[in-house]
This record gives sequence, structure tokens and C-alpha cells, in this order.
Amino acid sequence: GQQVMQIPQYQHVQEGEDFTTYCNSSTTLSNIQWYKQRPGGHPVFLIQLVKSGEVKKQKRLTFQFGEAKKNSSLHITATQTTDVGTYFCAGRNSGGSNYKLTFGKGTLLTVNP
Amino acid sequence: DAEITQSPRHKITETGRQVTLACHQTWNHNNMFWYRQDLGHGLRLIHYSYGVQDTNKGEVSDGYSVSRSNTEDLPLTLESAASSQTSVYFCASSADRFGGYTFGSGTRLTVV
Repeated sequence: GQQVMQIPQYQHVQEGEDFTTYCNSSTTLSNIQWYKQRPGGHPVFLIQLVKSGEVKKQKRLTFQFGEAKKNSSLHITATQTTDVGTYFCAGRNSGGSNYKLTFGKGTLLTVNP
Repeated sequence: DAEITQSPRHKITETGRQVTLACHQTWNHNNMFWYRQDLGHGLRLIHYSYGVQDTNKGEVSDGYSVSRSNTEDLPLTLESAASSQTSVYFCASSADRFGGYTFGSGTRLTVV
């Protein structure tokens, strides 16, 4: 079945440093989504990428979808303490009638003020 | 405002008991999902539904069941609770099959 791998598992940074998490799928994806989960909270949808090579920005967050639609990344510029949480990618297979999302295991980001 | 609510927020139950976790959404979303979240495993899909009377098994469905009698609710039943089912359970919904999910606040279930 489809697997979505996410690295790193943990990342600790000083406030102001940049942060990147990577997501790799074993199969070609129709789209990929990113979620953020604050400690003790629930996952919150951030964005969806659909097109090969797509890049989207949300303030300090930059999301990329690979040319082959098998990988993605989330980059945070100049982290702040409000960025603390676990970032999940979730991929959806291309083709067929399988619409289910497969989540990566997430990257836990901690920020030292 | 539309919302998705889960109840209870916390529950402790004994091994072998039947437990039902509630999920109610007022988004009028056709698609609803149940996930469990465990350390080291991320979010794993238990069951999902694309509409009334439609239910499907996810990757970790053994020991769980769901029913969809209306658009708003997708209750999750643990037929005979086991310690391995101690987890945080999240319900989610989406407007279409390709869009993002809106998650509930979760139910922390402990089976003793």
C-alpha cells in the first residue's frame, strides 16, 4: 500500500532559525496536503498542492510539490515560538477511485525562545 | 458557526466493554473519517464514510465499527475494548473527496 515517509521526526531550533520538513511518497500522488497540530490539539489543515512543481506561500511558510509528484517540503523562515507543533503531510494516490489520505508520521518542531 | 464536535473528550473504560465515541458535524459534509493517533504511528485511518449508509474500512479497522444514518453523525464503536485500543481518536470531515479535512478536538480513550 501507499506509504508516506516524513523526515526529520524531530527538529529543535532557536527562534529566528529556519526549519524544513520533507515528505516522500512511495507512489505518485494526485495531491498533497499539510497539517499543523499544536501540542494537545488537533490537526489543522494548512494547504493543498496539486500541480507538479507547485510552490505556495503563506507568510513565512513555503510549500513545494516535487516535479514527479512524489515528494513535498514545508519550509518555515525565521521560526517563532508560535510555530511549535507537529507538521504532517498527507498524500492522496493518483488514479483509480482511492480518495483516502495517507498521513506521514509528522515532524515535531520545538522552538527555543 | 459550523463545527465538528467529539464526545466525550476523555474516557476510561474496562477491557471487554463496548464503547461508543460520538462525532457530530454541522458543516453538512458528506465525507467523515475516524483516525487514531499513537506515538510513533502518526494518524491511522480506522473507518470512513462518503455519505449516508456508506461505510468503509480503513487500515486499522479490526475491533471497530461505524454506522452512518444521517449526514451529521458518524459514531465509532469499539465492540470489546482492548488495552491496545488506548489512544487518541480524531474524527474529521470534508466537503469533497479531494479537499482538506476539518478535525474534531479528539477523544482520549484509556482502556484498563
